[in-house]
Amino acid sequence: SQQGEEDPQALSIQEGENATMNCSYKTSINNLQWYRQNSGRGLVHLILIRSNEREKHSGRLRVTLDTSKKSSSLLITASRAADTASYFCATDVGSSNTGKLIFGQGTTLQVKP
Amino acid sequence: NAGVMQNPRHLVRRRGQEARLRCSPMKGHSHVYWYRQLPEEGLKFMVYLQKENIIDESGMPKERFSAEFPKEGPSILRIQQVVRGDSAAYFCASSPLAGSTDTQYFGPGTRLTVL
Repeated sequence: SQQGEEDPQALSIQEGENATMNCSYKTSINNLQWYRQNSGRGLVHLILIRSNEREKHSGRLRVTLDTSKKSSSLLITASRAADTASYFCATDVGSSNTGKLIFGQGTTLQVKP
Repeated sequence: NAGVMQNPRHLVRRRGQEARLRCSPMKGHSHVYWYRQLPEEGLKFMVYLQKENIIDESGMPKERFSAEFPKEGPSILRIQQVVRGDSAAYFCASSPLAGSTDTQYFGPGTRLTVL
């Protein structure tokens, strides 16, 4: 099963509303990252949070990490139509140092104007 | 400093043909990771290479797939005798550091379509 699993799988909101996406993982990690992918395009790195951090902000993005629950959330405030995309969380595999990232299945966000 | 380059961006092959995907890492990066993204799914790790060495190929299918990162030139992901199930987007990422997940930079991907 996936190291990273996200919910919801799909989310549709109105412009101006907040969007919250959740990610759960199974093993210990050193860091967790969130990426955005517009349809048919490449990945855009959004934010990285380390295992000793609980919350991080970047512009309209807020990421939280709860290592006791092995979960993270991404909050996008005051959403815009341009935020329409798929969002993925990705983790390392903790004790392993090969550097491979384990991605979740993603949350597809639609922001209606 | 140019980003990670991948070519071609789109590749169409018929079943049974070979596909060669190229990844040029960022300048100064000697570590390359390949990932595959099937339609409607997240990225799946395939292989991690350093110059002239395969470090971790735990995500590579056992047959038909191979990867290399020669001393000179781009990293190549090679798929022999392609089948329809190989249709996917293939991304590479490069890093200046060994075994680092927080310094990986992704390329734009190659979208492979097998007819």
